[in-house]
Amino acid sequence: AQSVSQHNHHVILSEAASLELGCNYSYGGTVNLFWYVQYPGQHLQLLLKYFSGDPLVKGIKGFEAEFIKSKFSFNLRKPSVQWSDTAEYFCARVPKAGKSTFGDGTTLTVKP
Amino acid sequence: EPEVTQTPSHQVTQMGQEVILRCVPISNHLYFYWYRQILGQKVEFLVSFYNNEISEKSEIFDDQFSVERPDGSNFTLKIRSTKLEDSAMYFCASSANIFGYTFGSGTRLTVV
Repeated sequence: AQSVSQHNHHVILSEAASLELGCNYSYGGTVNLFWYVQYPGQHLQLLLKYFSGDPLVKGIKGFEAEFIKSKFSFNLRKPSVQWSDTAEYFCARVPKAGKSTFGDGTTLTVKP
Repeated sequence: EPEVTQTPSHQVTQMGQEVILRCVPISNHLYFYWYRQILGQKVEFLVSFYNNEISEKSEIFDDQFSVERPDGSNFTLKIRSTKLEDSAMYFCASSANIFGYTFGSGTRLTVV
């Protein structure tokens, strides 16, 4: 079965620090990877997605992610976080149709 | 930008009661999904629906759950006899293909 793992469960950073959240996916099948963000009390919002092509994907709010096939990874990065980035971040493997598989999520707390 | 709309945003129901969660997918989408997120846990797939029938369901989606597309625009999730452990955020999603996979804002179900 396809799986997605996020190794960092809770990350605490100060404002202006750089961010990298890990996401690894299991081998096999089409690889379409998404990062979602969920702000407190709100719904899932799409940050960015990768289907094919340029492995460096730029998303909203200054986020980017790099698909590294040899490492089965799709890590999320941001050069300088803000307090407003405090949220839960989910990596997901999304097929063309059918169920998406989500990672456990990483809670990011940014201290002002 | 087209949205997936869910109503109500918050539903409180007594244990044992039936509840219907409603979703209006994006109009040209063909695939429909329900996911849930118990507080503090990961997003879990419940069911996918295509061509007026269930195409895939998880072990969570037992006989207490059913889905329906009653009128060509709405997509509903029914829980026949709610339990305390059904309390969660329920997300509807729809897709035409990989590019259009979109989540709704969610319905928070509280069973008391």
